[in-house]
Amino acid sequence: DAGVIQSPRHEVTEMGQEVTLRCKPISGHDYLFWYRQTMMRGLELLIYFNNNVPIDDSGMPEDRFSAKMPNASFSTLKIQPSEPRDSAVYFCASRKSGSNTGELFFGEGSRLTVL
Amino acid sequence: GEDVEQSLFLSVREGDSSVINCTYTDSSSTYLYWYKQEPGAGLQLLTYIFSNMDMKQDQRLTVLLNKKDKHLSLRIADTQTGDSAIYFCAEREDSSASKIIFGSGTRLSIRP
Repeated sequence: DAGVIQSPRHEVTEMGQEVTLRCKPISGHDYLFWYRQTMMRGLELLIYFNNNVPIDDSGMPEDRFSAKMPNASFSTLKIQPSEPRDSAVYFCASRKSGSNTGELFFGEGSRLTVL
Repeated sequence: GEDVEQSLFLSVREGDSSVINCTYTDSSSTYLYWYKQEPGAGLQLLTYIFSNMDMKQDQRLTVLLNKKDKHLSLRIADTQTGDSAIYFCAEREDSSASKIIFGSGTRLSIRP
């Protein structure tokens, strides 16, 4: 399997611009998670989906952030408008329900820099 | 709410043992994990332990769990340069829980 695929790997944008990050989970995985990693706050859970339905978005920082999962093989995380404090590495992860260990499989991340 | 805490940095000499510590707050946690993040990569599951266990050993890795103190540790024997990474402690409430809560990660550096 190809693993969790994220794009873009790197994004540099200016404050106020819209940013869209994309994720393709592992085929057959029914849970999808978006995490954000910063030096100050570590790894934060933003939102997660089960069977394409958002279950818990309590970690989404504010209304500028939105996430969708239109089908089982694709999810987006959108920031509009972006701000310098949004600079971070954004990870997508997926897992299969019923897994004995509950292991999460992570993508390689999207590094976002907002100038 | 759940919280997982780790020290941010650890430096050890090559060949020595590394011990990375973690404390968690949720006493109902039944699954505890160690993930490894190498530079420029995502996290990968390194090992895990169920709450009904005190210890788990896997080659150079030893996981110790003290449920009373809510303390988890990861010992890496004979630390090598390839062990340089960030190590994340994580907890999951039970088999039905979906969320996994991660600590901030401990950056392990190896000196010659």
